[in-house]
Amino acid sequence: DVKVTQSSRYLVKRTGEKVFLECVQDMDHENMFWYRQDPGLGLRLIYFSYDVKMKEKGDIPEGYSVSREKKERFSLILESASTNQTSMYLCASSLSGLANYEQYFGPGTRLTVT
Amino acid sequence: GENVEQHPSTLSVQEGDSAVIKCTYSDSASNYFPWYKQELGKRPQLIIDIRSNVGEKKDQRIAVTLNKTAKHFSLHITETQPEDSAVYFCAPGTNTGFQKLVFGTGTRLLVSP
Repeated sequence: DVKVTQSSRYLVKRTGEKVFLECVQDMDHENMFWYRQDPGLGLRLIYFSYDVKMKEKGDIPEGYSVSREKKERFSLILESASTNQTSMYLCASSLSGLANYEQYFGPGTRLTVT
Repeated sequence: GENVEQHPSTLSVQEGDSAVIKCTYSDSASNYFPWYKQELGKRPQLIIDIRSNVGEKKDQRIAVTLNKTAKHFSLHITETQPEDSAVYFCAPGTNTGFQKLVFGTGTRLLVSP
């Protein structure tokens, strides 16, 4: 079974803090993704990575950065947290290859910025 | 970019009824059409998918139908059960060198006993 884990289930941070969210997958997947989930807005892609040290902007990258130093680990960084970044953050991974689209999700991190 | 819409946003049915959720998309290059289910407090999980060379796929009580000409696909659940209560997301995918999915805004299905 694919296992995707995230470093925290719940996180409370103050405005202006630097925040790190970490995601680890154990199935040697090439692709990794960060989404945020807000009520009524579905899942919106922040950043994704298709290889170590490679990253691509998603639909809402502003205010975020990412790091992928190892294949199994993909980190989301909020350089200076703001209250509008309060959300559920979901990490996902998938295999590369033309036939491989299925994404496997982590349990999510609910971030509150006060 | 891809514009994805799901309807309805909320659907309430009685146990045993059928439920249908429709997803429309804009990118004609989309070639993969999955549905994800997210139970309360859980992570989204793939429940069924279809590729662009197939019109319909069925797996027990769930099915997905695709109309590429009209750019929409639908999730059909028959004989609904309370455990089908969840939020369902469509997520059409395009391979532009990377396999990206664009998620819809979700449909909350409530199945009452």
